[in-house]
Amino acid sequence: AQSVSQHNHHVILSEAASLELGCNYSYGGTVNLFWYVQYPGQHLQLLLKYFSGDPLVKGIKGFEAEFIKSKFSFNLRKPSVQWSDTAEYFCAVREGGSYIPTFGRGTSLIVHP
Amino acid sequence: DVKVTQSSRYLVKRTGEKVFLECVQDMDHENMFWYRQDPGLGLRLIYFSYDVKMKEKGDIPEGYSVSREKKERFSLILESASTNQTSMYLCASSSMGNNQPQHFGDGTRLSIL
Repeated sequence: AQSVSQHNHHVILSEAASLELGCNYSYGGTVNLFWYVQYPGQHLQLLLKYFSGDPLVKGIKGFEAEFIKSKFSFNLRKPSVQWSDTAEYFCAVREGGSYIPTFGRGTSLIVHP
Repeated sequence: DVKVTQSSRYLVKRTGEKVFLECVQDMDHENMFWYRQDPGLGLRLIYFSYDVKMKEKGDIPEGYSVSREKKERFSLILESASTNQTSMYLCASSSMGNNQPQHFGDGTRLSIL
């Protein structure tokens, strides 16, 4: 079965620091990759997604992620975080041909002003 | 804009009660999902439906059932609620396209006393 690992469970940063959240998956075939964000008290929403083409994907609010097939990774990055980025971040991987994604356990990010 | 509506944000029930959680989406999506979200465990899939009256078990279906009589509505049923079912329940929907993300409701925080 597919597994998705998010290595950082809790991350605490100061504003303007750079962010990188790790995501690794186990499936060796074609995958669709997602990062979702859940702000406090809000529903999960899509940050960005990768299906094909350029492995560097840009999303909303200045986030980007890079798909490295050889490393089975899809790490999320932001060069300068803001207090409003405080949220929980989930990586999700869907095998090609499936409609059911597998989610990582999430990373809680706290940004201090 | 896409809208997934869950009937209750907060719900308190007693052990042994039959509990219904309702979810409605307005995007004419074929796929609908029920997850539970617990701290440190991420999102775990309870049930999935890809069409009216069609359902598939997810990773943790025990103690739950679902109903999908209409395309827009997907109900989660706790047959006999137990305290270990206290959790946040998330409903999501997606269209059939392989490159389509999920859209989530606000969640129902269910407490079983």
